[in-house]
Amino acid sequence: DAGVIQSPRHEVTEMGQEVTLRCKPISGHDYLFWYRQTMMRGLELLIYFNNNVPIDDSGMPEDRFSAKMPNASFSTLKIQPSEPRDSAVYFCASTYGVAQETQYFGPGTRLLVL
Amino acid sequence: GQNIDQPTEMTATEGAIVQINCTYQTSGFNGLFWYQQHAGEAPTFLSYNVLDGLEEKGRFSSFLSRSKGYSYLLLKELQMKDSASYLCAVRWVDISGGYNKLIFGAGTRLAVHP
Repeated sequence: DAGVIQSPRHEVTEMGQEVTLRCKPISGHDYLFWYRQTMMRGLELLIYFNNNVPIDDSGMPEDRFSAKMPNASFSTLKIQPSEPRDSAVYFCASTYGVAQETQYFGPGTRLLVL
Repeated sequence: GQNIDQPTEMTATEGAIVQINCTYQTSGFNGLFWYQQHAGEAPTFLSYNVLDGLEEKGRFSSFLSRSKGYSYLLLKELQMKDSASYLCAVRWVDISGGYNKLIFGAGTRLAVHP
């Protein structure tokens, strides 16, 4: 199994630009999670999907952030417009079922907004 | 709130044993996870406890006391490669039903010295 795939692995952009992060979950997994990790705030859950439907987006910082999951094998996290405080590592994770025992994380996208 | 407390940093010597503690709010508790995260990499699953007691996996063991809101991760026969951050994550019951999302602690940075 290829594991969770994220792209790009690194992104450097200027303030005000749109940023799109991509994730392909493990095949067969029905839950997908977007996390953000910074030194100051640690690992925070932004949003999660079940069967492509957003279930809880209470962690999304503000309207500049949006996430979609058009099908079971693809999700995007978009920031528009980006700001320097959005600089972080963004992880996607997936898992199967309600009683699952772990989430599997992708390698992350390191975002730097100048 | 859903506070999770763990020490910020620990140091230990190669070959020794180290215990990393984690305390959390007990109300609505539905499972505790330990993840390992090497610098610049994604978190990887180490252990899962939902019932009281000790779970052993090779050099790593995890203990849970639900009544006390307490867990620890025990690492034996420490190796240099064990230098990493160790994240305690707790799953609480979501009143809306369905998946119970994870909340991560800030992590404990462990440095193993020769």
